[in-house]
Parts: sequence; C-alpha cells; structure tokens
Amino acid sequence: EPEVTQTPSHQVTQMGQEVILRCVPISNHLYFYWYRQILGQKVEFLVSFYNNEISEKSEIFDDQFSVERPDGSNFTLKIRSTKLEDSAMYFCASRLTGRGTEAFFGQGTRLTVV
Amino acid sequence: LAKTTQPISMDSYEGQEVNITCSHNNIATNDYITWYQQFPSQGPRFIIQGYKTKVTNEVASLFIPADRKSSTLSLPRVSLSDTAVYYCLVGDLSGNTGKLIFGQGTTLQVKP
Repeated sequence: EPEVTQTPSHQVTQMGQEVILRCVPISNHLYFYWYRQILGQKVEFLVSFYNNEISEKSEIFDDQFSVERPDGSNFTLKIRSTKLEDSAMYFCASRLTGRGTEAFFGQGTRLTVV
Repeated sequence: LAKTTQPISMDSYEGQEVNITCSHNNIATNDYITWYQQFPSQGPRFIIQGYKTKVTNEVASLFIPADRKSSTLSLPRVSLSDTAVYYCLVGDLSGNTGKLIFGQGTTLQVKP
C-alpha cells in the first residue's frame, strides 16, 4: 500500500536554528498538507499546498514557516529561528484530486527544540 | 467548516461492538464525514468516509441519518489494539484545499 514518508523521524535542534522537515507524498497525489500536534493536544492544520503554491494557511503558519516542493517528489516544511514552543509532532499528508478523496498521513517528525 | 462534537472518552471490553457518535449540526451540502484513528506518536490513519446513508469497509461501519447532522462510527468486536483516539471530521473535500480540521477526538480504551 502506498504511503506518505517523512524524514527524519526525530529531530533535535537548538532554539534559534532553522530546521527542514521532509515529506515524500504518495506519488500521484496533488494536494499536500502539513499539520502539527503538540504533546497531549489535538492535531492542528498548518498549511495546504496545490499546484506549486499555498492554497490555505492557518494563523499558526506565520513568516517563520515556509513550504516548498523542490522537485517532483519531495514536500518540505522549513521553520526558521525555531522556538521552544515549536516542539511538536509534525505530520505531512497528501490527497488525490476529486471530491471525497481521503487524505493519507505520514508517521510524523518529532521536533524537539532545546 | 462544520464543527463536530464527540465524547471525550469511552471505555469498552474486548469483543464488544463500539459505537462512537459525532454531532455536526451545521454540516454543509458538499461536506463529507471522515473518521480517523490515531495511536500515540503516530500519524492519523484513515478509517472510513461517507456522505449519506451507510458505508461499510473491512474495519468499520459508518451510519449517517438522512439529515446528516450526526454520524456513528461502529467498530465490531474491538480488541485491545483498537485502543486509540478516534476523530470525526467534516469538510468539503473538493476544491484546492480540502483541509481537514481535527477536534479533540474520542479516546477509546479497550479493556481485557
């Protein structure tokens, strides 16, 4: 069964550093998403991406964050100048086009900012 | 996006059928109802999705009444491994975003 792959599974970074979280969506999917989940809290929408541009973003997704699809397979989330409160699980998801198609999530990257 | 309300937690025993009901009173015409399962430190896993009436797959059934203002996820004969958080989501999955908004979910604890 095709799956969304995320790397690394765990990343530890110092406050103020930049991190790039990587995702390989399912190959024929066209919609891509990033979500985050702070420990013990609900899954929060960050951004959606379609046709090489951001479709929608939440209030969380401020200038500190950016997304990119650098090639035909990868989808990245960059966090500049990380803060302690950025520590969370970050999930990538992808979806086919068409109504009613389900989104598939990766296993996540645990980001720890120290 | 339609807001959903579901119980915060439920307990069950192995072998029992579990029904988790979700309320979504302001569901829109184009909205689908989707259920996800999440284990600790893992990504949400798609369980089932429907628009109206009943949908069944190999792991669950989804019952949706005619007014679509609620839905019930039915898990037949649960096992310990079904202990997880279950999310009910409602949203228009057409268009360029189709984003899913997660609520707090229902924590299901299956006991031996």
